[in-house]
Amino acid sequence: AQSVTQLDSQVPVFEEAPVELRCNYSSSVSVYLFWYVQYPNQGLQLLLKYLSGSTLVKGINGFEAEFNKSQTSFHLRKPSVHISDTAEYFCAVSANTNAGKSTFGDGTTLTVKP
Amino acid sequence: NAGVMQNPRHLVRRRGQEARLRCSPMKGHSHVYWYRQLPEEGLKFMVYLQKENIIDESGMPKERFSAEFPKEGPSILRIQQVVRGDSAAYFCASSPGYDYGYTFGSGTRLTVV
Repeated sequence: AQSVTQLDSQVPVFEEAPVELRCNYSSSVSVYLFWYVQYPNQGLQLLLKYLSGSTLVKGINGFEAEFNKSQTSFHLRKPSVHISDTAEYFCAVSANTNAGKSTFGDGTTLTVKP
Repeated sequence: NAGVMQNPRHLVRRRGQEARLRCSPMKGHSHVYWYRQLPEEGLKFMVYLQKENIIDESGMPKERFSAEFPKEGPSILRIQQVVRGDSAAYFCASSPGYDYGYTFGSGTRLTVV
């Protein structure tokens, strides 16, 4: 079984500042990793994913994440945030077998202040 | 290409009634997943289906909950004899395969009064 820990429940940051949202996972098998964003009263939208290969993955809206196998982490970063990035962010993991389901973290609320 | 369609968006049921939540996956997606999101909590896996098959229902409560994904038509999540604790947002997601990530619907917000 897999599990995900998002280390910060809330991250306040000023506009144009850099941000990092932290995610650690545990698994006994190799994994796929995902970040999703959820705006109020909406479903989740896939930001980026790591399947294999380069450990630095780039996603939509200027976000990127780095897979660190030794630290079992998959932190999300953006060099300069905008007010519109205010949302809830979820890290998810699934086993890289034909098992299908993803396990989600509890989410990190990013609040960008002017 | 329409996204994942869930309906209704909002559903109010009295305790003891039945709730039926519908999900039409994206065209070309054969994998459907249901998740529940309780207030101030993350998403909890409920069930994973492919056409006419339940692949993994390890997250489904043993009683009152069932899901199906028939050969024709949408996937249905059915909750019988609802209780207040069933009040939550229920999200459906679909994917074309297990390594693509999900496309989510906008959710059905169930309120039990």
